[in-house]
Amino acid sequence: AQSVTQLDSQVPVFEEAPVELRCNYSSSVSVYLFWYVQYPNQGLQLLLKYLSGSTLVKSINGFEAEFNKSQTSFHLRKPSVHISDTAEYFCAVSKSGGSYIPTFGRGTSLIVHP
Amino acid sequence: DAGITQSPRHKVTETGTPVTLRCHQTENHRYMYWYRQDPGHGLRLIHYSYGVKDTDKGEVSDGYSVSRSKTEDFLLTLESATSSQTSVYFCAISESNVGIMNTEAFFGQGTRLTVV
Repeated sequence: AQSVTQLDSQVPVFEEAPVELRCNYSSSVSVYLFWYVQYPNQGLQLLLKYLSGSTLVKSINGFEAEFNKSQTSFHLRKPSVHISDTAEYFCAVSKSGGSYIPTFGRGTSLIVHP
Repeated sequence: DAGITQSPRHKVTETGTPVTLRCHQTENHRYMYWYRQDPGHGLRLIHYSYGVKDTDKGEVSDGYSVSRSKTEDFLLTLESATSSQTSVYFCAISESNVGIMNTEAFFGQGTRLTVV
């Protein structure tokens, strides 16, 4: 079984500042890693994912995450946030190959202040 | 957007009554999931399905049952609702093609259930 720990339940930041949302996972097998975003009163949307290959993955709206196998981490970063980035962010893990059943972390609420 | 519809979107029910939530998809995806979302707990898997009439339990399955008689529909039933089942319920779907694993889940808009 795998598990995910999101170390921060809430991250307040000012607009245009950089941000890092932390995610650590635990698994005895190879994994796929994901970040999902949830805007108020909506379902989750995939932000980015790591399956294999380059350990640095990027989204279309400026977020990036780096898979660090030795640290079992998949932290999400953005160099300059916007008000519109205010949302709940979930890290998720699934075992590579076989059934895709994602396990989610508890979420981090990113609050961007003007 | 993936074609996933959850119904109802909001429901208030009394303790002890049965409740059924419906998830309908138009994507013909093989896998369907029910999660509940609670503050401080993130999303927790209740049940999932990997095909018609093929279902399995997740980490918080007690008090819930599911059925999938057609590819497009996945029903979640609370046999006798309790206040601890007040939550937001999300349905999700994903696909698995032969030789290819589509590793992304698409989520519905959620159903807010209140048990009083």
